[in-house]
Amino acid sequence: SQTIHQWPATLVQPVGSPLSLECTVEGTSNPNLYWYRQAAGRGLQLLFYSVGIGQISSEVPQNLSASRPQDRQFILSSKKLLLSDSGFYLCAWGGIKNEQFFGPGTRLTVL
Amino acid sequence: KQEVTQIPAALSVPEGENLVLNCSFTDSAIYNLQWFRQDPGKGLTSLLLIQSSQREQTSGRLNASLDKSSGRSTLYIAASQPGDSATYLCAVTGSGGSNYKLTFGKGTLLTVNP
Repeated sequence: SQTIHQWPATLVQPVGSPLSLECTVEGTSNPNLYWYRQAAGRGLQLLFYSVGIGQISSEVPQNLSASRPQDRQFILSSKKLLLSDSGFYLCAWGGIKNEQFFGPGTRLTVL
Repeated sequence: KQEVTQIPAALSVPEGENLVLNCSFTDSAIYNLQWFRQDPGKGLTSLLLIQSSQREQTSGRLNASLDKSSGRSTLYIAASQPGDSATYLCAVTGSGGSNYKLTFGKGTLLTVNP
C-alpha cells in the first residue's frame, strides 16, 4: 500500500531564516505530487505541483520554491522566511483517478 | 474560477443522529469530487471519491451524492458517533487541463456530543 511521509512535523523558525520541508511517497511510481498550505481561517491553497522529476509548476507567486530531485521525493524551500509563511503545509500524491492522498503535514511557525 | 462553498460552517448534533453536510461548486465542468476528513492538527483523510459520471458513493455509514448539473454534493452520515467529530472538507477537480487541481471548500466543523 501507499504511504506518504512528511518531516519535520513541527518547526519554529525566525524571520529571514531558510526553510526545507521534505515529503516522500512509498508504494507508487511516478506519482503527481502536490504542496498545499492551510492558513488559519482560510482554505487549502495549492502552492506547487509536479508531474515528474525536475518538473515543477507554481500556482501562486510567493516566497517559496519546490524541487523534485527523485521520483518520490518533493521538497519545499525558502531562502528567507516571512511571517506570512506561517501555516500548516501538506504534501499530497495523486492516484490514477486523480484522487489525492495527503500526508500528516508540517506546522510551521515563523517568529 | 471555480469556487466551492460548504454549508453549514459548523454543526453540533447528539450522538446517534443522521446528518447531512452540503457542498456546492460554481463550475459544473468537474472531473471528480472528493470528501475528506481532517482531525485537529492532522492531515486530510480521503473518505469518498465520486467521478463526474457517478451519482453517489458509499463507504460504511457514509454516503456521498453528486448532482453535477446543479453543482451540488451532499455527505450523509448515518448514526453519528463522537468519533465522527472532525472538520469535513469537500474538493473538486477541474476537467481538461485543470484535472490535476483540487479546489477546496472551507469545511464544516462537526461535533457529535455523547
